[in-house]
Amino acid sequence: KQEVTQIPAALSVPEGENLVLNCSFTDSAIYNLQWFRQDPGKGLTSLLLIQSSQREQTSGRLNASLDKSSGRSTLYIAASQPGDSATYLCAGSGNTGKLIFGQGTTLQVKP
Amino acid sequence: DTAVSQTPKYLVTQMGNDKSIKCEQNLGHDTMYWYKQDSKKFLKIMFSYNNKELIINETVPNRFSPKSPDKAHLNLHINSLELGDSAVYFCASSQRQGKDEQFFGPGTRLTVL
Repeated sequence: KQEVTQIPAALSVPEGENLVLNCSFTDSAIYNLQWFRQDPGKGLTSLLLIQSSQREQTSGRLNASLDKSSGRSTLYIAASQPGDSATYLCAGSGNTGKLIFGQGTTLQVKP
Repeated sequence: DTAVSQTPKYLVTQMGNDKSIKCEQNLGHDTMYWYKQDSKKFLKIMFSYNNKELIINETVPNRFSPKSPDKAHLNLHINSLELGDSAVYFCASSQRQGKDEQFFGPGTRLTVL
């Protein structure tokens, strides 16, 4: 049974800092690993999808990596901005597309 | 030009009532999903349909019944609502089952009084 864990649960950093959010999963037979952003009271915005044959994906200041052998994914945010403040969720899926979510990391970037 | 839309956005109702939440996607995707986000913000899948066929049916009370009239729509009907059903319900879609990025709707906040 797939379980997804995110550490830390909360993170506060000054503006401009580079930071890493961690996600670990128990079942290496993972198809996809997807990172989302959720703002308070809002829906989920997809940030990056890493398919099982890939090791990383990049979009702007975001870079996500996937290491299936160690059961880990990281989301790297470069030069953080106050607008990056949100909850970041990672989710792994098998071949049915069923996403198993972590509990999220709530990020606050202080001006 | 909303990709995945849900109605209503807010739903407040009494225990015991029956209610429906509607979801539509205009992305031409084959697969649609319902997820539930509880009061602790934990997201869990409920159902998945691929080309109108039920693929995933998690351990959900049978008071919850999804219906997919066509590939672009996946509705969720809930009978005999209970206090514990209060949550935010999210609809999502992906191009292909299991392979592609999932896009989420804005959510429906259900409050059962």
